[in-house]
Amino acid sequence: ILNVEQSPQSLHVQEGDSTNFTCSFPSSNFYALHWYRWETAKSPEALFVMTLNGDEKKKGRISATLNTKEGYSYLYIKGSQPEDSATYLCAPNTNAGKSTFGDGTTLTVKP
Amino acid sequence: DAGVTQSPTHLIKTRGQQVTLRCSPKSGHDTVSWYQQALGQGPQFIFQYYEEEERQRGNFPDRFSGHQFPNYSSELNVNALLLGDSALYLCASSSWAHGGYTFGSGTRLTVV
Repeated sequence: ILNVEQSPQSLHVQEGDSTNFTCSFPSSNFYALHWYRWETAKSPEALFVMTLNGDEKKKGRISATLNTKEGYSYLYIKGSQPEDSATYLCAPNTNAGKSTFGDGTTLTVKP
Repeated sequence: DAGVTQSPTHLIKTRGQQVTLRCSPKSGHDTVSWYQQALGQGPQFIFQYYEEEERQRGNFPDRFSGHQFPNYSSELNVNALLLGDSALYLCASSSWAHGGYTFGSGTRLTVV
């Protein structure tokens, strides 16, 4: 079983603040890492898929980096908005098929 | 939009009963994975089906079984329901070759 840790577990920020959170995973047998955003009462939505060490992906105000050698990925949100409030899940793969999810970081952005 | 569809959306069962949940994958996807999400936790992997076979399985008892049909749709069956089986059950489809999930909206199972 792959041990995936996300921190912090929850985060409360003010609108306009920038924030980041971490996903840690075993660095051996790495294949890919997925970030998902999960809003209340909706399905998890794919944000990024990252495969190469040093990968950086960006989507609007959200970006992510990947370090496969040390086994971590950071997700950054610049200038948080209330609509960014969600649980952010990371899911590394050790093979092409199965993802193992962390417990997520729940972000609350206060207006 | 041929996304992932799950049925039913909500279900209430009594302890000891059996339940079947259904999932139709996104068009073009051939792999279906099932996850259980208990309150306050991330999704826990139950099992994955590809080419009508169970390819991988998480740490769930044999009471949890599944099936994949030739059209790639899948069922999750749970026998002898326990109160602790109450959770959101998510189906995620993907391409076996490329990974990356598309999730359904889930089935909320309540065992009383």
